[in-house]
Amino acid sequence: KQEVTQIPAALSVPEGENLVLNCSFTDSAIYNLQWFRQDPGKGLTSLLLIQSSQREQTSGRLNASLDKSSGRSTLYIAASQPGDSATYLCAGNSGNTPLVFGKGTRLSVIA
Amino acid sequence: GAGVSQSPSNKVTEKGKDVELRCDPISGHTALYWYRQSLGQGLEFLIYFQGNSAPDKSGLPSDRFSAERTGGSVSTLTIQRTQQEDSAVYLCASSLLASGAARTGELFFGEGSRLTVL
Repeated sequence: KQEVTQIPAALSVPEGENLVLNCSFTDSAIYNLQWFRQDPGKGLTSLLLIQSSQREQTSGRLNASLDKSSGRSTLYIAASQPGDSATYLCAGNSGNTPLVFGKGTRLSVIA
Repeated sequence: GAGVSQSPSNKVTEKGKDVELRCDPISGHTALYWYRQSLGQGLEFLIYFQGNSAPDKSGLPSDRFSAERTGGSVSTLTIQRTQQEDSAVYLCASSLLASGAARTGELFFGEGSRLTVL
């Protein structure tokens, strides 16, 4: 059974810093690894999807990587801005299963 | 519609009452998911519909929970005899069916239905 862990649970950085959010999973036979953003009281917004045959995806200031052998994914945010403050969730699925979510990292970017 | 639509956005009910939550997925998406997010907890999978296949109900916490998907589109999650521990945000997501090993495509979520059971 897939389990997803995100460390740290919370992170506070000054504006302009580059940062990395970590996600680890137990089943290396992962098919999809998806990163989401959740603002308070809102639903989840998809940021990046890495499929089984891929190793990374990029969108603007965001870059997500997937290392199946080590069971890890990272989300890199360049030149962070106060508007990046949110909870970031990673989720993965293996086999014919729905996405399993981590508990998220709550990011605060201080102006 | 342009995105996944859920209603109601907020529902307050008394313990013991039944509630229905509605999800309208993105047009053309064959897969539909219900998740639950309790305060301070991660997302908990409830049920998954994929095309005409039998739904995966493995995440439903009790027989008070049920869901339907009519015509391969709109879905309704029903909670009977609500309990205080049912209070949570219920999130719906949809995706296209992916080919090959991936089994499912990128998930898109609605804004959720916040349920409060008094």
